[in-house]
Amino acid sequence: DGGITQSPKYLFRKEGQNVTLSCEQNLNHDAMYWYRQDPGQGLRLIYYSQIVNDFQKGDIAEGYSVSREKKESFPLTVTSAQKNPTAFYLCASSGLRQETQYFGPGTRLLVL
Amino acid sequence: AQKVTQAQTEISVVEKEDVTLDCVYETRDTTYYLFWYKQPPSGELVFLIRRNSFDEQNEISGRYSWNFQKSTSSFNFTITASQVVDSAVYFCALSEVGSGGYQKVTFGTGTKLQVIP
Repeated sequence: DGGITQSPKYLFRKEGQNVTLSCEQNLNHDAMYWYRQDPGQGLRLIYYSQIVNDFQKGDIAEGYSVSREKKESFPLTVTSAQKNPTAFYLCASSGLRQETQYFGPGTRLLVL
Repeated sequence: AQKVTQAQTEISVVEKEDVTLDCVYETRDTTYYLFWYKQPPSGELVFLIRRNSFDEQNEISGRYSWNFQKSTSSFNFTITASQVVDSAVYFCALSEVGSGGYQKVTFGTGTKLQVIP
């Protein structure tokens, strides 16, 4: 089955710790995205990538970092610089040119 | 700047009632796309429909229908004969080409629909 997988489903972060959220897709999509969702709010774009080895900051990139070494994978690292990381993180992928974005199941990040 | 407004924060209906979820958008572009997504309690966003700015035909898919009106910048979503399984948060979204040539998608804040049995 083609789709997007995210792991883990739940992630706990201690103070000062960096954590990495995984996102993998087998849809052969060129573009991948990371969004953050806070309770009662819409989705806000953290980072996006249109091609391997290239990525761009979204609206709320501070405290986050990404890499795109393979077309299928777009991991997100939440660094210790992100002071309020508790949120639901969604990864998405799409073809280029305003194709529909398809989403993974999400990772819920909590701070201990 | 593009903007999507879903003024209804929460709606409760009794099963089998019809319900309409409103979506109003703002954009300066003439070419854009509109979307509706469903987010059930599990959290994953499920794609429902995509409409381009040149196609104002209404669409029906089973119990779901969408009314796109450019004159009022609205893209409303109606569920006919609602069912408990329709309970979810529904997001309207607008897609434009961003400054870097990428697809910039702006999401509304969502409407939480509760269908009461």
